Order: sequence, then C-alpha cells, then structure tokens
Amino acid sequence: QKEVEQNSGPLSVPEGAIASLNCTYSDRGSQSFFWYRQYSGKSPELIMFIYSNGDKEDGRFTAQLNKASQYVSLLIRDSQPSDSATYLCALNSGNTPLVFGKGTRLSVIA
Amino acid sequence: ETGVTQSPTHLIKTRGQQVTLRCSSQSGHNTVSWYQQALGQGPQFIFQYYREEENGRGNFPPRFSGLQFPNYSSELNVNALELDDSALYLCASSLAGQGASYGYTFGSGTRLTVV
Repeated sequence: QKEVEQNSGPLSVPEGAIASLNCTYSDRGSQSFFWYRQYSGKSPELIMFIYSNGDKEDGRFTAQLNKASQYVSLLIRDSQPSDSATYLCALNSGNTPLVFGKGTRLSVIA
Repeated sequence: ETGVTQSPTHLIKTRGQQVTLRCSSQSGHNTVSWYQQALGQGPQFIFQYYREEENGRGNFPPRFSGLQFPNYSSELNVNALELDDSALYLCASSLAGQGASYGYTFGSGTRLTVV
C-alpha cells in the first residue's frame, strides 16, 4: 500500500518569501512525482512533475526529489497571496493510478 | 482542444438513493479515472476505464460502478448512497501509457452532498 505523507498545515509565509512544501512516501518503487495546487472548492491543477533525483525549475516553482530519502519537495519563490491554496503531492510507478497525499494548506500573508 | 468536463457541478441526494455522474474526456484521450475527495483529504482512486473496460480499481465497494462509452466519455454510478459518500468527485482523462507519466488533467468536479 503506497502512502504519501504531507503536513496538513497551515503553512503561513509572508509575501515575497520562499514557501517550502514537503512530502514523504513509503513505496521505494515510486517513479513519477507530481505537485498539484487546489484552490478552495476547485479541482486540483497540475503544477509540476519530476522523475529524476535533483531539482527541476519552472518559473517561481522548484521541485526537488531525493529517492534515497523518499522525499519530494516544492519550493515557491517570491510567494504571492494568489499562491494561497492546498498543495497536493502525488506519485505513481509505471502506469499505475496516482496516489495522493492529504495536502498542505499554504497561506501567503500580504 | 477541449478539456475534461463533468456534470452536474453540484448535487444533493438523500441517503439510500442512487446517483449518476458524468464525464467527457479531453479530446484524444482514451482513459478515464475517477477519484473521490472528501473534505480535508486528498483524492482517493475509485477506478479507471480504458477501451470501455474497468482496468483498475481502488478500495471502494461494488455499489460504486462505472461505464465508459465508445466516445471515451464515462459515468460513475453510486447505489445506496451513504452520508460518507458526500465528497467532490473528480474525473481525469489521459492517453493510455502517457497520462500516468505526465499527470492527469482533472475536470472541475461534481460536489455530491448526501443528506
């Protein structure tokens, strides 16, 4: 049974700061890792995916993966109030369905 | 390119009733996955359909069933509704062999409330 653990938060950061969201997982066979953003009452929106150890950057977002430590994180630079949302970590192996964590609620304070 | 559309957006049902939720997949996508998201939880996998056959199922009872049609649209049926079935139901479409690698695109969801 794959498990994905996230701190439920809320994580509060001031506007302009770096927000760091973390996720650990139990299945060492996991191959693909995803970060979704979900605004209240809306459906999840894919932000980034990462397959290889190391960092992957896309604009203000950086995903970091460490398979040895079974750890994936999302950094949001120059956080904006519009980044306030719940961030869901998800993973799979091969073509299996995505397994999601419970999400971390981020609050960016203006 | 059209996205994933779900209907209805909101629904209120009474315990014991039956409900059907609908999903139209994104153009070119042949696989549909259904998820249930309870309040404060992450999405939980219900099942997946490919070429009109169920090809994967999560830990949900048989009263959760589905269909996929030749045009790849899909339905989720829930019989004998229980209060705990109240949730946001999400549909995601993908191209077999690729969606799981590149992530899913979800529809806007159906909010089901069972009273």
